[in-house]
Amino acid sequence: EAGVTQFPSHSVIEKGQTVTLRCDPISGHDNLYWYRRVMGKEIKFLLHFVKESKQDESGMPNNRFLAERTGGTYSTLKVQPAELEDSGVYFCASSQGGDGTQYFGPGTRLTVL
Amino acid sequence: EDQVTQSPEALRLQEGESSSLNCSYTVSGLRGLFWYRQDPGKGPEFLFTLYSAGEEKEKERLKATLTKKESFLHITAPKPEDSATYLCAVQRYGGATNKLIFGTGTLLAVQP
Repeated sequence: EAGVTQFPSHSVIEKGQTVTLRCDPISGHDNLYWYRRVMGKEIKFLLHFVKESKQDESGMPNNRFLAERTGGTYSTLKVQPAELEDSGVYFCASSQGGDGTQYFGPGTRLTVL
Repeated sequence: EDQVTQSPEALRLQEGESSSLNCSYTVSGLRGLFWYRQDPGKGPEFLFTLYSAGEEKEKERLKATLTKKESFLHITAPKPEDSATYLCAVQRYGGATNKLIFGTGTLLAVQP
């Protein structure tokens, strides 16, 4: 069974540019989560989808971040415009049930210069 | 406020030298406590879930235990391949989400 996949693995962009991260969850997992780890800090929750609906987006830093999950399959996280403090590793996770074990992808390392 | 604190931040062991990692938590209604392992450049890999005080789970050289305030990850006779960052996270009851609240992790290095 394929695990959670994320694309790209690395992205380096200039401040003010736009970047879109993609996450493909484990097949059949309705729950999809985005997390972020900035250097030296713990992994922090960003938002939670159940199928195509946003269940909780309380962790989204500001309105420069836009997450979508059209059709309830893969998800994208767009940062527009990117700022220096957006640098970090963005993880995606998925689970079968709402309280099920969350399985993580390898992450996307974003560097904003 | 929900909080997870892990100690020590880093631990260096000789191969075969057993030890324990600590995860202290404060959460309003614990649904579950999770242990993950993370290797450099990879995502967290699930190890265990503990749901109630007194529960224990084992996998190879690892054993996780839970009390009402903390969890321990015991590593028995570690090998170099056990070197990784070990992450603890909690999930609480209530609310609309099942987000995980993470600690900052313990970086374990096992020397041959």
